[in-house]
Amino acid sequence: DVKVTQSSRYLVKRTGEKVFLECVQDMDHENMFWYRQDPGLGLRLIYFSYDVKMKEKGDIPEGYSVSREKKERFSLILESASTNQTSMYLCASRTSVGTDTQYFGPGTRLTVL
Amino acid sequence: DQQVKQNSPSLSVQEGRISILNCDYTNSMFDYFLWYKKYPAEGPTFLISISSIKDKNEDGRFTVFLNKSAKHLSLHIVPSQPGDSAVYFCAGMNNNNDMRFGAGTRLTVKP
Repeated sequence: DVKVTQSSRYLVKRTGEKVFLECVQDMDHENMFWYRQDPGLGLRLIYFSYDVKMKEKGDIPEGYSVSREKKERFSLILESASTNQTSMYLCASRTSVGTDTQYFGPGTRLTVL
Repeated sequence: DQQVKQNSPSLSVQEGRISILNCDYTNSMFDYFLWYKKYPAEGPTFLISISSIKDKNEDGRFTVFLNKSAKHLSLHIVPSQPGDSAVYFCAGMNNNNDMRFGAGTRLTVKP
């Protein structure tokens, strides 16, 4: 059974803190993605990775960075959290072959005070 | 610039009736379209997809229609059930496997 896990379901941080969101998949997928979900805006792509140590900017990369040191793990980093980064963060993974769907983790609701 | 648009933020239907969720796209490079369903506190899960070379794909109570000339697709749920109440996201994917999502439509099916 396909599984994507995220390190925290809920997280509360203060403005200026460095925040790490971890995502792990057990399907040996090459591609991994980070999205944020906001009301009225849907799922917006922050960063994605096609392979280990590779990363590509999505549509809204500002204020974020990522790390992919191992195939199964994709980390999203907020270098200095701001209140406008309060959101639901969703990680997804997908095989690089064909048009298989993306598989999503359960999400991390981050609140920045 | 939203490449995928779901202009109805919410939809309410009676149990047993048809639910029709609409989606428009602007990127003509999309060659595959997908619908995802999302319950609160869970990640989105894949529901149904359609290739751009088809105009219809059916899976049980769920049918997706694609009108490529109008850059429009719709998801039909017949008959609707209370368990279908969720947020539905439409997504388009190009041949680089880049995927873009719409804003979502919250469907409420009333018993």
